[in-house]
Amino acid sequence: AQTVTQSQPEMSVQEAETVTLSCTYDTSESNYYLFWYKQPPSRQMILVIRQEAYKQQNATENRFSVNFQKAAKSFSLKISDSQLGDTAMYFCAFMKLHTGANSKLTFGKGITLSVRP
Amino acid sequence: SQTIHQWPATLVQPVGSPLSLECTVEGTSNPNLYWYRQAAGRGLQLLFYSVGIGQISSEVPQNLSASRPQDRQFILSSKKLLLSDSGFYLCAWEAGGNYEQYFGPGTRLTVT
Repeated sequence: AQTVTQSQPEMSVQEAETVTLSCTYDTSESNYYLFWYKQPPSRQMILVIRQEAYKQQNATENRFSVNFQKAAKSFSLKISDSQLGDTAMYFCAFMKLHTGANSKLTFGKGITLSVRP
Repeated sequence: SQTIHQWPATLVQPVGSPLSLECTVEGTSNPNLYWYRQAAGRGLQLLFYSVGIGQISSEVPQNLSASRPQDRQFILSSKKLLLSDSGFYLCAWEAGGNYEQYFGPGTRLTVT
């Protein structure tokens, strides 16, 4: 079974600065995807970024980028130029790729990020 | 574009009462559908998933059941609620083979 660990329960960052959220995972699979989801106070889960394990290049989406270290099983999220709207809970998630039709996500417990004005 | 709806948004139910939560998706066909539960301060736990009408797989043995009567409709039910069923319930959809799940706004269920 896969496990996803987010060891930092809370973090805080000053507006316009950069922050990195950590995530580690444990799996024996070689073919998988990793995701970061954001859950703002509205509680709707929003997909932030995804990384395919077979790709060496780190994924980027505007101010969001990841540092994917496959051998270390580490998947951190970097948020640049932090904005007040980035205040949310962030979840790291693992998806084992099946040959069948469905995809199961395993989530970490999340980290609460506060952006200070 | 695709949208996903859930209702009701909030629900307060007494122990032992039935439950029906509904999720519908617009703008896509034959999506994979998922029900998750989020306990307070915790991550999401997958409850059920469906790859087609009438096809339901359960991840966690519990007091709940799911059904998919139509292609873009997914229902979470219980005959008798327990206090431990309280939580935030999220429905998600995925275009088959896309590997990205998109979530609805959720239902906050409180069992009293």
